[in-house]
Amino acid sequence: QITLKESGPTPVKPTQTLTLTCTFSGFSLTTSGVGVGWIRQPPGKALEWLALIYWDDEKRYSPSLRSRLSITKDTSKNQVVLTLTNMDPVDTATYYCAHTVDGGPPSPWGQGTLVTVSS
Amino acid sequence: QSVLTQPPSVSGAPGQRVTISCTGSSTNIGIGYDVHWYQQLPGTAPKLLIYGNNNRPSGVPDRFSGSKSGTSASLAITGLQAEDEADFYCQSYDNNLSGWVFGGGTRLTVL
Repeated sequence: QITLKESGPTPVKPTQTLTLTCTFSGFSLTTSGVGVGWIRQPPGKALEWLALIYWDDEKRYSPSLRSRLSITKDTSKNQVVLTLTNMDPVDTATYYCAHTVDGGPPSPWGQGTLVTVSS
Repeated sequence: QSVLTQPPSVSGAPGQRVTISCTGSSTNIGIGYDVHWYQQLPGTAPKLLIYGNNNRPSGVPDRFSGSKSGTSASLAITGLQAEDEADFYCQSYDNNLSGWVFGGGTRLTVL
């Protein structure tokens, strides 16, 4: 059974860097074709893809946030870390991580973590 | 502004059939990438409802079905039930963005 869980600080102050950790079980990020992605959802709004990392360390970023995003993996800890710099109140959202394999849909998702940006 | 376009809301009475459209472009759905659908109940994470355009994961009732044609896809729900009230999202992959794209979401209300 695949499970993922997001963790991170809240609230975050404007201009700070957000660091989120996705801790997963039931799969390995060393297995060919496997990836983990991050998606966020501002309150009452739609889903927005942020970043993806694959088993071979290939990384993809949303073009609109590329300059602020970084994604890394620690296969020994079964974790994926997302950092988002220069946080702003518009970055307030629930942040989800999700499993993907062989180019398929993100599934399953973690429960999400609400990050509030406020001074 | 989401890359994939969905109607903001749909509604139907119990037992009725509703459809939700998802319109993309030649850089995502139109170029052949699969469309997937998610159901998000209030306060929960999205759950995969349809994958690969028209496939149901184990446990999803056959009242839910998907289709795809050209640059669009549709989700159909038959025999509406009160517990179907949720937000529904379509998702695909975009060649230009080299990543996942989502629709803006459709809220289903069961009257």
